[in-house]
Amino acid sequence: AQSVTQLGSHVSVSEGALVLLRCNYSSSVPPYLFWYVQYPNQGLQLLLKYTSAATLVKGINGFEAEFKKSETSFHLTKPSAHMSDAAEYFCAVRSNSGYALNFGKGTSLLVTP
Amino acid sequence: EPEVTQTPSHQVTQMGQEVILRCVPISNHLYFYWYRQILGQKVEFLVSFYNNEISEKSEIFDDQFSVERPDGSNFTLKIRSTKLEDSAMYFCAIPSSGGFNEQFFGPGTRLTVL
Repeated sequence: AQSVTQLGSHVSVSEGALVLLRCNYSSSVPPYLFWYVQYPNQGLQLLLKYTSAATLVKGINGFEAEFKKSETSFHLTKPSAHMSDAAEYFCAVRSNSGYALNFGKGTSLLVTP
Repeated sequence: EPEVTQTPSHQVTQMGQEVILRCVPISNHLYFYWYRQILGQKVEFLVSFYNNEISEKSEIFDDQFSVERPDGSNFTLKIRSTKLEDSAMYFCAIPSSGGFNEQFFGPGTRLTVL
């Protein structure tokens, strides 16, 4: 079954510092991968997706992710953190039996002044 | 970007009661999904529904759950006899304008079972 593992349930960075949120996937077929963000008391918002086109994917709010098949990774990065980036971030992979998404456990990003 | 609303935003119920959660997309959709997120845990897929039939479901979606498209414009998730462990946020999602590889999530319904 398709699955993702997010390393680090909590990540803290200083404002202006690099953001790196890790996601590794397990898939028997070329995966479709996603990053979603969840702000407090809100739903999930799509940040970016990988669907077997370019390996470096740019998303909203300055985030990007690189698909590395050799490392089975799809880490999320942002060069300079803003206070408004504080949220829960979920990596997800599409199931191979349909369009359902299998989510990771999430990483809570804290941005300190 | 398609929009979807969910009602109610918060539902409190007694254990053993039936609840119906509603999802209303702005535009007509034949395909939708339900997910749940227990507090502090990951988002879990429940079921997908296409053209009035279940197309995919997880092991969580047992006989106490059902989905319907009662009037052609909204979708419902019914939990027949709620249990304490059903307390969670329930999200519906629809394919976005980017196609089936993207899902647009609603704001969710917080279900509290007492």
